Amino acid sequence: QLQLQESGPGLVKPSETLSLTCTVSSDSVSSNNYYWGWIRQPPGKGLEWIGSMYYGGSTYYNPSLKSRVAISVVTSKNHFSLKLSSVTAADTAVYYCARQRSGSYTLEYFDYWGQGTLVTVSS
Amino acid sequence: SYELTQPPSVSVSPGQTASITCSGDKLGDKYVYWYQQKAGQSPVVVIYQDRKRPSGIPERFSGSNSGNTATLTISGTQAMDEAEYYCQAWDSSTVVFGGGTKLTVL
Repeated sequence: QLQLQESGPGLVKPSETLSLTCTVSSDSVSSNNYYWGWIRQPPGKGLEWIGSMYYGGSTYYNPSLKSRVAISVVTSKNHFSLKLSSVTAADTAVYYCARQRSGSYTLEYFDYWGQGTLVTVSS
Repeated sequence: SYELTQPPSVSVSPGQTASITCSGDKLGDKYVYWYQQKAGQSPVVVIYQDRKRPSGIPERFSGSNSGNTATLTISGTQAMDEAEYYCQAWDSSTVVFGGGTKLTVL
């Protein structure tokens, strides 16, 4: 059974960079037909897609976050990472990593999710 | 940017049918996916490609998509179906989520 586990600091100071890693078990981040993505959810609010990346390098980002986001896939460690720069209190959220199925011309749905990790932005 | 609109809340009595809508421009031309998120848990996909159910999802969950509206239908709703439901689509190289609908089983 595929498992994803987020890890990283639970508290980040304003203006600094949020860094999270998602470790994948029982599957390879080099699998064909899958992207690896990040989604966040502010407390009491809805889901917001951050971005998705294929191990071969193809990447898609939420336009509203694109200038501050970088996602990378490290095949040797079978994990992928998120960096979000210049954070503010508005970036406080539960951050989920997930596997995303890809179609012929589209990205599709997230079929496996991590448990999520709360990141608070505060001084 | 593309938007998906869901009603904030839907209420249903146990055993009845619940319908949750998701609206967007020409949504019927895109695939729609539905997630269920129970309190304190990660989302779980319950419908993919408009109307397909992943293995392990009960048959009472069904979906449709036409025109500008996609609908998630839960037949014979059970107390365990009380959750937040989100629709999702892919548009212009971005993943778009609806705002979510809180389903209350009274």
